[in-house]
Amino acid sequence: DAGVIQSPRHEVTEMGQEVTLRCKPISGHDYLFWYRQTMMRGLELLIYFNNNVPIDDSGMPEDRFSAKMPNASFSTLKIQPSEPRDSAVYFCASTETGTLNNEQFFGPGTRLTVL
Amino acid sequence: GNSVTQMEGPVTLSEEAFLTINCTYTATGYPSLFWYVQYPGEGLQLLLKATKADDKGSNKGFEATYRKETTSFHLEKGSVQVSDSAVYFCALILSRSSNFGNEKLTFGTGTRLTIIP
Repeated sequence: DAGVIQSPRHEVTEMGQEVTLRCKPISGHDYLFWYRQTMMRGLELLIYFNNNVPIDDSGMPEDRFSAKMPNASFSTLKIQPSEPRDSAVYFCASTETGTLNNEQFFGPGTRLTVL
Repeated sequence: GNSVTQMEGPVTLSEEAFLTINCTYTATGYPSLFWYVQYPGEGLQLLLKATKADDKGSNKGFEATYRKETTSFHLEKGSVQVSDSAVYFCALILSRSSNFGNEKLTFGTGTRLTIIP
């Protein structure tokens, strides 16, 4: 398996623009997590899905952020409108049910810069 | 709530030195404990884990023992290499016997390790 795939790897945009980050989890994994990593706040869980259904979105910072998982092999995280403080590395991770003590597999991340 | 407290970084060591990165936790149930490693420019990857008290996780020369009495999971390596330079995260997840919704990993803040040749 290719692992968790994220695109784009780097995104530079201007304040006010819409940004869409994409994630393809490992085939067969039914949990998908979106994280944000910054120097100031460390690693934060934004939202996670089980079987394409959002379970906990309490980490989503505000209404400008939204996430969807239309099918088992694809998820998006959208920021509209983007702001400079959204600059961060965004990670997607997946895991499978049955053994909740199992590891989460992380993608390589998307580095977002909002000017 | 659940929380993980990690040793503040950054940590700088010479090659072949002994490494300890401290990690303590607070949890309402019976957690499983993990160490993740993040190499420069990459995502996190699992380094080792322990699922119950007194278990020892080990991988790539790293070890950590689940100590319930001290609520700790300290990471150790006897002789570090330059290639071990990375950020290390301690994390926990509650066991499956807990309520639904406890599938989230709780991460520490991370400890940046730099090994000098």
